[in-house]
Amino acid sequence: NAGVTQTPKFRILKIGQSMTLQCTQDMNHNYMYWYRQDPGMGLKLIYYSVGAGITDKGEVPNGYNVSRSTTEDFPLRLELAAPSQTSVYFCASSFIASGLPGELFFGEGSRLTVL
Amino acid sequence: AQTVTQSQPEMSVQEAETVTLSCTYDTSENNYYLFWYKQPPSRQMILVIRQEAYKQQNATENRFSVNFQKAAKSFSLKISDSQLGDTAMYFCAFMKHAHDYKLSFGAGTTVTVRA
Repeated sequence: NAGVTQTPKFRILKIGQSMTLQCTQDMNHNYMYWYRQDPGMGLKLIYYSVGAGITDKGEVPNGYNVSRSTTEDFPLRLELAAPSQTSVYFCASSFIASGLPGELFFGEGSRLTVL
Repeated sequence: AQTVTQSQPEMSVQEAETVTLSCTYDTSENNYYLFWYKQPPSRQMILVIRQEAYKQQNATENRFSVNFQKAAKSFSLKISDSQLGDTAMYFCAFMKHAHDYKLSFGAGTTVTVRA
């Protein structure tokens, strides 16, 4: 099973460039999340989705956009990259039903450097 | 966002010994979930253990156990018989029982197991 797949694993961007981090899950999970992890820190929520067509902001959404057109895919778009967006990005998914949260499954992370 | 505090940035333990990681959280919710995640050098986030706030019994998973003190808002993790493979960063995380089911993470504790 592939689980949660993120691409690319590494990327270097110049200031002002844009890019999309891809995230795909094959577990038919309804909830999906994007987190960022700065060096030596915990994960902070950027955006999340409770199902196809529904997205909402997390703690640190500025400078990012998401879409959820299918259950499987949850891409994260960085517009006008800034050095402050240098981080490791994690996509995660979970199946939640009947008010009981399931385990979050994480991708392997994407290391983004903005120079 | 909920506040999760891990007051120990780093801990070191001898192989086969026991180490306890502390975590406190701030919430006005009565129904919520607590988690410990492990992040080894590979960066993959792995669920170690979870605890439902409505359960008084402390969760246990093999060599990992928690001490959940709801009134004190404390959720410590005990690793018994430490193994070299336990070397990792450990994150405490909080999820309230709500439609968004978002995880809030602490800053993490780096655990090093010495041979």
